[in-house]
Amino acid sequence: GESVGLHLPTLSVQEGDNSIINCAYSNSASDYFIWYKQESGKGPQFIIDIRSNMDKRQGQRVTVLLNKTVKHLSLQIAATQPGDSAVYFCAENYGGSQGNLIFGKGTKLSVKP
Amino acid sequence: EPEVTQTPSHQVTQMGQEVILRCVPISNHLYFYWYRQILGQKVEFLVSFYNNEISEKSEIFDDQFSVERPDGSNFTLKIRSTKLEDSAMYFCASSLQGGSNQPQHFGDGTRLSIL
Repeated sequence: GESVGLHLPTLSVQEGDNSIINCAYSNSASDYFIWYKQESGKGPQFIIDIRSNMDKRQGQRVTVLLNKTVKHLSLQIAATQPGDSAVYFCAENYGGSQGNLIFGKGTKLSVKP
Repeated sequence: EPEVTQTPSHQVTQMGQEVILRCVPISNHLYFYWYRQILGQKVEFLVSFYNNEISEKSEIFDDQFSVERPDGSNFTLKIRSTKLEDSAMYFCASSLQGGSNQPQHFGDGTRLSIL
């Protein structure tokens, strides 16, 4: 998985543009993945999930893509808005666990008006 | 929309003291979790709980930690003798069902500061 560190990768986009946030996951046995959004002072907020038997899932303005071959997950946000500014985490869960989510270190998304 | 609530939002405690963090999971959820996030670091799993038993725990969740469902609505995390390195945000989460493939919904956390 990604190394622990104090410095978050940052993505800066213009309002109205599309955003793509990437995540490399660690465990090839992971079979469930979630994207969370965390605003300052708040807890992780569920955005979208995907199971390992899928490679793409769409929600409202968001799409998650899963590439199991290279253990890569991405979150695409269409028409990014200032309210999308937050830290985005991917989390993985492997079959056989009792819900132990393993979080990535996060990407900070800044949307410029 | 139903949500997980946590109290207090900020807890300041002297090192060596006991602290209890409280959570009210979403009412029809059956599986409960605690995570922590040290400032600037990843969210880390502590423990999962179902049917009044711990289902899984991480290496962080040592003998100083305990969890309890004292009644039908609350879920608590107790740290018996706090250490400086326990300073972190503590998040409670719940899910309708357990195991993998289940979305977990998080509260806004309790910031624990150990002096």
